[in-house]
Amino acid sequence: EDQVTQSPEALRLQEGESSSLNCSYTVSGLRGLFWYRQDPGKGPEFLFTLYSAGEEKEKERLKATLTKKESFLHITAPKPEDSATYLCAVQSVKAAGNKLTFGGGTRVLVKP
Amino acid sequence: KAGVTQTPRYLIKTRGQQVTLSCSPISGHRSVSWYQQTPGQGLQFLFEYFSETQRNKGNFPGRFSGRQFSNSRSEMNVSTLELGDSALYLCASSPGWDGYGYTFGSGTRLTVV
Repeated sequence: EDQVTQSPEALRLQEGESSSLNCSYTVSGLRGLFWYRQDPGKGPEFLFTLYSAGEEKEKERLKATLTKKESFLHITAPKPEDSATYLCAVQSVKAAGNKLTFGGGTRVLVKP
Repeated sequence: KAGVTQTPRYLIKTRGQQVTLSCSPISGHRSVSWYQQTPGQGLQFLFEYFSETQRNKGNFPGRFSGRQFSNSRSEMNVSTLELGDSALYLCASSPGWDGYGYTFGSGTRLTVV
């Protein structure tokens, strides 16, 4: 069974204080690893898809990396608007269709 | 370009009733997936429909069902509601099968009293 574990559960940062979020996964053949951002009361918003170990993607202050067992989301010099829950999900090559298995998320609070 | 539209946004139902939620995918997207999100269990996969056929199903009881119409719009139904069914129900649409372009709606907040 596919499993995704995210750590830490919550993270409080000062504005400008860089940090990393971890996503550890177990999957029977990785088709893709996804990062989403979710604001309270809203649906998850797509950030990145990573497909193979060694791959990196960047968007503004966010950078996602992938190894064979985990992924990291690095937040560089965060701003208060980066406060959100960040979700990691995997898609297995053995799962029919578009099923994603999600981790529990990391709640990030950036204080000015 | 319109996003994924879910209706209604909020719903309050009584235990034992049934409920139907609706999802209109992005134009051209043929895959629609449904998820349940609760504080304790996080996001859990319910089922996925592609071209009116259920392609995958999660570990939920038979009280949870869904369907997809020829225009790709989808509905999910929960019968005999229980207090534990209170959750945010999210719909996601995608053009195909590889997760590319997987876009979520804002969800329907269901409260069972």
